[in-house]
Amino acid sequence: EAGVVQSPRYKIIEKKQPVAFWCNPISGHNTLYWYLQNLGQGPELLIRYENEEAVDDSQLPKDRFSAERLKGVDSTLKIQPAELGDSAVYLCASSRLAEGELFFGEGSRLTVL
Amino acid sequence: RKEVEQDPGPFNVPEGATVAFNCTYSNSASQSFFWYRQDCRKEPKLLMSVYSSGNEDGRFTAQLNRASQYISLLIRDSKLSDSATYLCVVNTGNQFYFGTGTSLTVIP
Repeated sequence: EAGVVQSPRYKIIEKKQPVAFWCNPISGHNTLYWYLQNLGQGPELLIRYENEEAVDDSQLPKDRFSAERLKGVDSTLKIQPAELGDSAVYLCASSRLAEGELFFGEGSRLTVL
Repeated sequence: RKEVEQDPGPFNVPEGATVAFNCTYSNSASQSFFWYRQDCRKEPKLLMSVYSSGNEDGRFTAQLNRASQYISLLIRDSKLSDSATYLCVVNTGNQFYFGTGTSLTVIP
């Protein structure tokens, strides 16, 4: 069974540029998460989807971040415009149930110059 | 106050040593508990769930103390391959909260 797939693995952009990350969760996993992880810190939730509905986006900086999960499968996380402080690893995770085991993708490492 | 607090370490131990990690959580209504392992520049992966009765998986033992709101992980007979960051994770029923992670290096 394929795991959670994310792309791109690495992205380097200049500040004020836009960037988008894509995630394909494990087949059959209804719950999808986007996390942000800074060096030396644990993952922090940005947004959680149950199927196509964003059920928790309270930690998503909505002035510059947006996300969508069309058809309840793949998801895209966008940042526009990017700031220096956005440099981090963006992790996508999925689970079969909201309280079940989280399966993470390899992450997208963003560097903003 | 953070939902989950861990000692970040680092813990540097010789091969064969026993090492223990603790973490505390703030929400008494938390429902499920986990230890995840994260290797350098890799994604977190589930190491083990933590049950109230305590549970063991080979050299790894996890304990939960609901009254004191802390979770522990004990690693016996440490191997070089155990070197990683160990993340304490708590689920409140609708959200997972991660600790900062405890870094372990096992030295030959």
